[in-house]
Amino acid sequence: GESVGLHLPTLSVQEGDNSIINCAYSNSASDYFIWYKQESGKGPQFIIDIRSNMDKRQGQRVTVLLNKTVKHLSLQIAATQPGDSAVYFCAENRGAAGNKLTFGGGTRVLVKP
Amino acid sequence: GAGVSQSPSNKVTEKGKDVELRCDPISGHTALYWYRQSLGQGLEFLIYFQGNSAPDKSGLPSDRFSAERTGGSVSTLTIQRTQQEDSAVYLCASSLGPSGETQYFGPGTRLLVL
Repeated sequence: GESVGLHLPTLSVQEGDNSIINCAYSNSASDYFIWYKQESGKGPQFIIDIRSNMDKRQGQRVTVLLNKTVKHLSLQIAATQPGDSAVYFCAENRGAAGNKLTFGGGTRVLVKP
Repeated sequence: GAGVSQSPSNKVTEKGKDVELRCDPISGHTALYWYRQSLGQGLEFLIYFQGNSAPDKSGLPSDRFSAERTGGSVSTLTIQRTQQEDSAVYLCASSLGPSGETQYFGPGTRLLVL
């Protein structure tokens, strides 16, 4: 079936280094992608989104890259901080086909001091 | 302003009992969603309400699950005759509009069925 998935279940990164979290999707009809951060015991927190007519979008310390050719999405976190330790989920929204989000399995980011 | 709120934050129940979970969306948001997150897993879509349209119930796992949204605001997710496999975190989200809008999540209700 169609799904959104992640390559790495756990990512350990040194404080101050950059983090890259990858996500593959299989539905070419998806037109909107979102990254969420989830800390222990909390609901997912919106980080950044990107529409399919773009290939890059930047926020504060975060950048999302979209490669529609290979159906790949990535989240880059610059100068990773201890507060970035969390589980990160990518999600796709198929727009006109319905507004439900399809989530990947999540990547845990552990920031080492 | 206030975010999405959910109650109760935790619920422990016995197998076979019914439970009701409540969601208060962000004021002015017309779309409301329920998701389920099992331990260590991603989120699974359950149901979606948009305005006065018929809800999208395609994600409900069985007929023991139902949801209502009264007055276009508060929503209640009901699980009848709970089973142990229903144990999960139930997350509610809302968005301004129907399509491509950012969904904002509540803190979730942690349900444990003994």
